[in-house]
Amino acid sequence: ELKVEQNPLFLSMQEGKNYTIYCNYSTTSDRLYWYRQDPGKSLESLFVLLSNGAVKQEGRLMASLDTKARLSTLHITAAVHDLSATYFCAVATNFGNEKLTFGTGTRLTIIP
Amino acid sequence: DSGVTQTPKHLITATGQRVTLRCSPRSGDLSVYWYQQSLDQGLQFLIQYYNGEERAKGNILERFSAQQFPDLHSELNLSSLELGDSALYFCASSVEGQGVNEQFFGPGTRLTVL
Repeated sequence: ELKVEQNPLFLSMQEGKNYTIYCNYSTTSDRLYWYRQDPGKSLESLFVLLSNGAVKQEGRLMASLDTKARLSTLHITAAVHDLSATYFCAVATNFGNEKLTFGTGTRLTIIP
Repeated sequence: DSGVTQTPKHLITATGQRVTLRCSPRSGDLSVYWYQQSLDQGLQFLIQYYNGEERAKGNILERFSAQQFPDLHSELNLSSLELGDSALYFCASSVEGQGVNEQFFGPGTRLTVL
């Protein structure tokens, strides 16, 4: 059974600092997704990573994928308050099986 | 706004009752997915439909069922409700067959079972 682990579960950081959220998964995967969720809201798609070594950046967020290590990272650069949210990684195992297995989420709080 | 709509936004009901949640996918998306989000279980995949046919099943209870209609909207039926069924239920849709299969989530239905 596929397991997806995120750490840390909770992260409180000051504005302007850098930090990384880690996502480990237990079986081979060809697709990894990052989502953002604000309290009581839906999930917003941030990144889709499709291959080993894939790196995508949007604003202060950068995501990468190492399929050999079964590891994805979400790096936050010079955090701002607006980035406060819960971040989820999700893994799809193979084409034809499209269900997403989600990590536990990382609740990020940016302190002014 | 992802383009996926869900109704109702909130639902409060009693144990033993039956409810129906509705989802309309983004225009052009053939796949619909249902997920449950609760504090103790996190985000869990329930079921997927593709163009009217069941494609994949996850941790969906036998008391729950779903279907996708010819106009591609989907309904999730929850029956004999228990307190533990209280959760946020999300529908997502995607355009399958293009490799990326990015799933776009609706606003969710918050179900409270009293």
